[in-house]
Amino acid sequence: GENVEQHPSTLSVQEGDSAVIKCTYSDSASNYFPWYKQELGKRPQLIIDIRSNVGEKKDQRIAVTLNKTAKHFSLHITETQPEDSAVYFCAASIYGNQFYFGTGTSLTVIP
Amino acid sequence: DARVTQTPRHKVTEMGQEVTMRCQPILGHNTVFWYRQTMMQGLELLAYFRNRAPLDDSGMPKDRFSAEMPDATLATLKIQPSEPRDSAVYFCASGWDTGELFFGEGSRLTVL
Repeated sequence: GENVEQHPSTLSVQEGDSAVIKCTYSDSASNYFPWYKQELGKRPQLIIDIRSNVGEKKDQRIAVTLNKTAKHFSLHITETQPEDSAVYFCAASIYGNQFYFGTGTSLTVIP
Repeated sequence: DARVTQTPRHKVTEMGQEVTMRCQPILGHNTVFWYRQTMMQGLELLAYFRNRAPLDDSGMPKDRFSAEMPDATLATLKIQPSEPRDSAVYFCASGWDTGELFFGEGSRLTVL
């Protein structure tokens, strides 16, 4: 089955700086890569996703890049704000079948 | 605003008792997932249904856990007998073939 690895497990940045979280996957058939944000005590919520026919996608301060050849994808958050502090999970899926999640990155934005 | 609904939100029980968690997926979704989240394990897949058929429950301890979808509006996760190590937050999520997965608010289980 698919194996998704996520790094780093914890990340602290100063407010205004950028944050980058990286994930690798093993199954070349995976074609859908969502990122979820989970605030303390809340449910994971989708913040951005990318499909295998696209190399990069942006939504305001958030961007995701995908390298199919190397089987890795990354989340980039620019101009970080305290409300960005949360746990972020990457996932890999094949057409919405099965979702394999990374182990999560706890991001802390220091005011 | 369609949401995945889970009950109960919180459950405290004693070791050996049966626990049943329920999930109402978003109307029209054809996939349902059960995940368990602990501090150490992240999101651990327990069961996966597509069109109400169980496709993957390899992550679920078969001796005490069972998952069913009696109809399209209800998915259940049962633990019998419960043990302290089952204490966790259990999330249900639903989706469709376009891929996006929607999570419920979770059921926090404490087994004493």
